[in-house]
Amino acid sequence: LAKTTQPISMDSYEGQEVNITCSHNNIATNDYITWYQQFPSQGPRFIIQGYKTKVTNEVASLFIPADRKSSTLSLPRVSLSDTAVYYCLVVIMNTGFQKLVFGTGTRLLVSP
Amino acid sequence: NAGVTQTPKFRVLKTGQSMTLLCAQDMNHEYMYWYRQDPGMGLRLIHYSVGEGTTAKGEVPDGYNVSRLKKQNFLLGLESAAPSQTSVYFCASSYSQVGAQAFFGQGTRLTVV
Repeated sequence: LAKTTQPISMDSYEGQEVNITCSHNNIATNDYITWYQQFPSQGPRFIIQGYKTKVTNEVASLFIPADRKSSTLSLPRVSLSDTAVYYCLVVIMNTGFQKLVFGTGTRLLVSP
Repeated sequence: NAGVTQTPKFRVLKTGQSMTLLCAQDMNHEYMYWYRQDPGMGLRLIHYSVGEGTTAKGEVPDGYNVSRLKKQNFLLGLESAAPSQTSVYFCASSYSQVGAQAFFGQGTRLTVV
């Protein structure tokens, strides 16, 4: 499994756009990039997943350059409720069981 | 639709006691997982199951046992609890399709004294 590296923490203010970058230099052809969000005292929650270029849903956007060695999770106009830990995962897209490997994540603190 | 439900939510055990954590999912998912999360760390996979009647070891299986007698339930057992097993335990489930997202329970906070 490709190892991921992301900042330990980030600070932002309400209404700002937040971009969290994840490095995954050893990503393989069959690997996807997946992001989960975890609020205090709760289990992680799936946010977004992508293979290349850009993916957007109602919560976030995911930007993946052509070489796929990094990816950026973009949260538009964050609010206080976006304060959470964000995990970048590389998931192997083969048949059979896929193991989710969580690193320490990026702790985002949104202030008023 | 309850999703993934963990029982109990909190528990305090004495060293050497045993207990079972129950995870139940109502989404007809094939895969189920048990993770533990320690302060300042990410989640670590303890055991997992790819279907009813199957179990397999994850990264940190020592001191734990699991069973999946029914598709909707995944039990995590501690035979002889140790202080090192003080942690927050999360259960998750997912479909078996490639790329399927995992759904997590609310967690069980276990303290072993």
